[in-house]
Amino acid sequence: GAVVSQHPSWVICKSGTSVKIECRSLDFQATTMFWYRQFPKQSLMLMATSNEGSKATYEQGVEKDKFLINHASLTLSTLTVTSAHPEDSSFYICSARRGVYEQYFGPGTRLTVT
Amino acid sequence: AQTVTQSQPEMSVQEAETVTLSCTYDTSENNYYLFWYKQPPSRQMILVIRQEAYKQQNATENRFSVNFQKAAKSFSLKISDSQLGDTAMYFCAFIPLYNAGNMLTFGGGTRLMVKP
Repeated sequence: GAVVSQHPSWVICKSGTSVKIECRSLDFQATTMFWYRQFPKQSLMLMATSNEGSKATYEQGVEKDKFLINHASLTLSTLTVTSAHPEDSSFYICSARRGVYEQYFGPGTRLTVT
Repeated sequence: AQTVTQSQPEMSVQEAETVTLSCTYDTSENNYYLFWYKQPPSRQMILVIRQEAYKQQNATENRFSVNFQKAAKSFSLKISDSQLGDTAMYFCAFIPLYNAGNMLTFGGGTRLMVKP
């Protein structure tokens, strides 16, 4: 059990367009999900904490108007990168929390902005 | 605030040998969990092992074991009988039990290469 999916796994978009990434907990309910960004050969950087039914909490330096997060249900959180630019190209990973400390990670989404 | 430090950016080991990855952390919390995650080339994060801070006994999962030194705030991972499939990035992570948010704090990672 404890499977988290992400869709799409890979997306290419043109500069100026928006792209949505979905994160789903498939076999458990998650009131809290997390969004990370990972650059090549680096660690995971927490972008925001997504709470079901309330506004996301963004980490310092993350533009909330560029990275829109919606946690509309107990199994789905979405990250929308608005007006994407090449510098937004990265690997985005979500995780879903079950219980107090268990976090299960999605397989990640590679975003390339041309 | 918590910090997690992995002082070895890269390591290599011969297949079937043993390797130890280092991790230190800094926190004022007394109740927390520590984790080692593996990120293979597929980039899927996989939980390798977990240690509860209140437990003195070191956690073990098959070929993976930890050396948890709470006073020294050290949490190293030992991989025995290394296999080619162990080649990956390894991240040490910390989570406080009772702080709001319960967010994971990751170390910078250690890239492990297992050589045939």
